[in-house]
Amino acid sequence: GAVVSQHPSRVICKSGTSVKIECRSLDFQATTMFWYRQFPKQSLMLMATSNEGSKATYEQGVEKDKFLINHASLTLSTLTVTSAHPEDSSFYICSAFTSMADTQYFGPGTRLTVL
Amino acid sequence: DAKTTQPTSMDCAEGRAANLPCNHSTISGNEYVYWYRQIHSQGPQYIIHGLKNNETNEMASLIITEDRKSSTLILPHATLRDTAVYYCIVSGETSGSRLTFGEGTQLTVNP
Repeated sequence: GAVVSQHPSRVICKSGTSVKIECRSLDFQATTMFWYRQFPKQSLMLMATSNEGSKATYEQGVEKDKFLINHASLTLSTLTVTSAHPEDSSFYICSAFTSMADTQYFGPGTRLTVL
Repeated sequence: DAKTTQPTSMDCAEGRAANLPCNHSTISGNEYVYWYRQIHSQGPQYIIHGLKNNETNEMASLIITEDRKSSTLILPHATLRDTAVYYCIVSGETSGSRLTFGEGTQLTVNP
């Protein structure tokens, strides 16, 4: 199946710093990528939808100035958590949509811990 | 998107078939049924999806009732590695449709 990678897989940072997470579709082009967040013992929550070359669409309650999303190419989207705080500690997962299969494929996730 | 209802947890013996039910009584005519699973601390893995016909691939079979109000995911010969949370999601057919995850079913395959 289609492969989606994320980097880094795990990051620990100090409060107030910014962290960038990359999401790449390795063997297909993705016109749309999605970013999710998952807290312990909870399900995935959609944060934003990202279309190549246009601004991301954020879900209600997600601060667009705090979670910056860039989707500059058909194979790469980045999520930057700005001025991270301990409450931003979570598991961040991206997915990439391929129209050939009409399916979203997910990355392995990035574990963010803010001290 | 239509809401889905799944049992919270299920158990299955290794080597036996695992049948995971899902109710989606408010599904509309152009919405697909998707199944994903998530093994602890990993990203969700795509399993299968369908519109109204039954589907089968190398991982599983998807049986959708004629009225499309419910479906069953079948893992024909469950292994210990199939232990995961299984999500049934209904989503629109338009490209790039959002997936709304519910709580899913925790499937535990026992030796």
